Amino acid sequence: NAGVTQTPKFQVLKTGQSMTLQCAQDMNHNSMYWYRQDPGMGLRLIYYSASEGTTDKGEVPNGYNVSRLNKREFSLRLESAAPSQTSVYFCASMLEGKRTEAFFGQGTRLTVV
Amino acid sequence: QQQVKQSPQSLIVQKGGISIINCAYENTAFDYFPWYQQFPGKGPALLIAIRPDVSEKKEGRFTISFNKSAKQFSLHIMDSQPGDSATYFCAATDSGGGADGLTFGKGTHLIIQP
Repeated sequence: NAGVTQTPKFQVLKTGQSMTLQCAQDMNHNSMYWYRQDPGMGLRLIYYSASEGTTDKGEVPNGYNVSRLNKREFSLRLESAAPSQTSVYFCASMLEGKRTEAFFGQGTRLTVV
Repeated sequence: QQQVKQSPQSLIVQKGGISIINCAYENTAFDYFPWYQQFPGKGPALLIAIRPDVSEKKEGRFTISFNKSAKQFSLHIMDSQPGDSATYFCAATDSGGGADGLTFGKGTHLIIQP
């Protein structure tokens, strides 16, 4: 089982460029999440999706958009990248949104110059 | 408002020693407290979790201690090994409605010196 797969693993963008981070899970989980990880800040929730067709803002949603394409896939889009969005991005999935194990992808290291 | 406070931010322990990481929470609705372990270049992975109906849970060398009245929980790693060197995150969630998942602490970078 692949679990949670993220692409790409590394990306360098120029300020103002756009890109989409892809995430897919093969565990038939209902809930999916996007986090960013910055030094000393832990894991901060950007957006989440409780089920196919629904999305909700997390703690730090500004500058991002998401799409829950189907039950497997949850993408994160940066419309106009800024240096403040330089971070490591993690996608995660959970069977349900509460009190179950979260499975994380290996992360996307994004640098905006 | 940080709902889960984790300390210390970094920790160095000698091989064979006990590593202790502490977390405190504010939301009394939290009722599930997992710990995640993250190695460099990898995503976090579940290490051990506890529910508030017990005060302690042990899995091998890893133990969670939980103090409901103080709203605190901690991870103890006994006989710490160099392979335990990683970043550890405590987290919490409640069983209410919604799917907003876990609230994480800011992490502890643990180094076990040989």
